[in-house]
Amino acid sequence: AQSVTQPDIHITVSEGASLELRCNYSYGATPYLFWYVQSPGQGLQLLLKYFSGDTLVQGIKGFEAEFKRSQSSFNLRKPSVHWSDAAEYFCAVGLPGGYQKVTFGTGTKLQVIP
Amino acid sequence: NAGVTQTPKFQVLKTGQSMTLQCAQDMNHEYMSWYRQDPGMGLRLIHYSVGAGITDQGEVPNGYNVSRSTTEDFPLRLLSAAPSQTSVYFCASSRLGLAKADTQYFGPGTRLTVL
Repeated sequence: AQSVTQPDIHITVSEGASLELRCNYSYGATPYLFWYVQSPGQGLQLLLKYFSGDTLVQGIKGFEAEFKRSQSSFNLRKPSVHWSDAAEYFCAVGLPGGYQKVTFGTGTKLQVIP
Repeated sequence: NAGVTQTPKFQVLKTGQSMTLQCAQDMNHEYMSWYRQDPGMGLRLIHYSVGAGITDQGEVPNGYNVSRSTTEDFPLRLLSAAPSQTSVYFCASSRLGLAKADTQYFGPGTRLTVL
């Protein structure tokens, strides 16, 4: 079975600083990869996804992620964090051909300090 | 478009009571799912549907029933609530399903407490 690990439970960054959130997956082939953001009291919103092609994926709100097959990673980055980015971020893994086989990571909570 | 709507927003039940969490979408999406979110565990798939009349179990289906009589609605039923079902429940929909890496749209969630 596939699994996804987000090693950082909580991250604090200063506004304007760069951000990298880590995501590692375990699966024998190349899965579909997603990053979602959840603001307090809200549902999840898709930031970006990778399913094939260019390994550097651009998303909404200035986020990007890079798929590194050799490291089984799909880290999320943003060059300059805004206070409104404070939220919880979830990495998710899906298997091609299997709708039900989506696994979410446990999330990383981002705090932004002025 | 209202997107994905869920009712109620909050609910408190006593052990053994039954209830239905409602989910509706107005995007004509074929694929709908129910997840539960618990602290430190991410989201876990309960049940999903690939179209009207077709449902299947996800990762944690025990204690929950679903049906899909229309494309728009996908209610989740708790037959006999247990404290272990205290959680936040999210409904999601997508047009093509995750088999094609399609985007899932999530509802705002229902926070359920079982005493």
